[in-house]
Amino acid sequence: NAGVTQTPKFQVLKTGQSMTLQCAQDMNHEYMSWYRQDPGMGLRLIHYSVGAGITDQGEVPNGYNVSRSTTEDFPLRLLSAAPSQTSVYFCASSPLDRTSNYGYTFGSGTRLTVV
Amino acid sequence: AQSVAQPEDQVNVAEGNPLTVKCTYSVSGNPYLFWYVQYPNRGLQFLLKYITGDNLVKGSYGFEAEFNKSQTSFHLKKPSALVSDSALYFCAVISGTYKYIFGTGTRLKVLA
Repeated sequence: NAGVTQTPKFQVLKTGQSMTLQCAQDMNHEYMSWYRQDPGMGLRLIHYSVGAGITDQGEVPNGYNVSRSTTEDFPLRLLSAAPSQTSVYFCASSPLDRTSNYGYTFGSGTRLTVV
Repeated sequence: AQSVAQPEDQVNVAEGNPLTVKCTYSVSGNPYLFWYVQYPNRGLQFLLKYITGDNLVKGSYGFEAEFNKSQTSFHLKKPSALVSDSALYFCAVISGTYKYIFGTGTRLKVLA
């Protein structure tokens, strides 16, 4: 089925470890983004990309890196995990033309715990 | 700076009654407004959007929202609530950039 695929669904890391959260979409969407969801905070934008080779920071980029080498993939890297990065992470994509799209398509999320 | 406020953490409504989930926004320029719904352990699903035109927007699952420019509001409504509507609802806005800004969410509980 077409959509946004995130892996893994669950992950436990030790403080200081690094890892990459994977995100892939097969809808040829130019725009992709990463959010974290924390209780009482809503969704906060970490990084986003408007096309291959183009990325930019959101509200809470510290401690995270991204790259966009293809239209389909937008991985999120945690460089040195900290307990404050315990959260649920969502990847989302959409066409760039906001007047014609139907909003974001979200992945099912990655629940990350840093101990 | 863009912002979205959802003033109610939780809304309780009896099944069959009308429901309203409130959202106000602050942007410079014309807003693009959205509502999303999140069921437990799932990603967010698009419900409806306002870009331009008619202030009353109809969306999925019988939901609608009314754009009010003077009150800078975009409240989500449904004439008759179902127990299956119980979920977490998010309002979002974008204006002039590609960054969606989400509210903190409102938990809707529909009581049988």
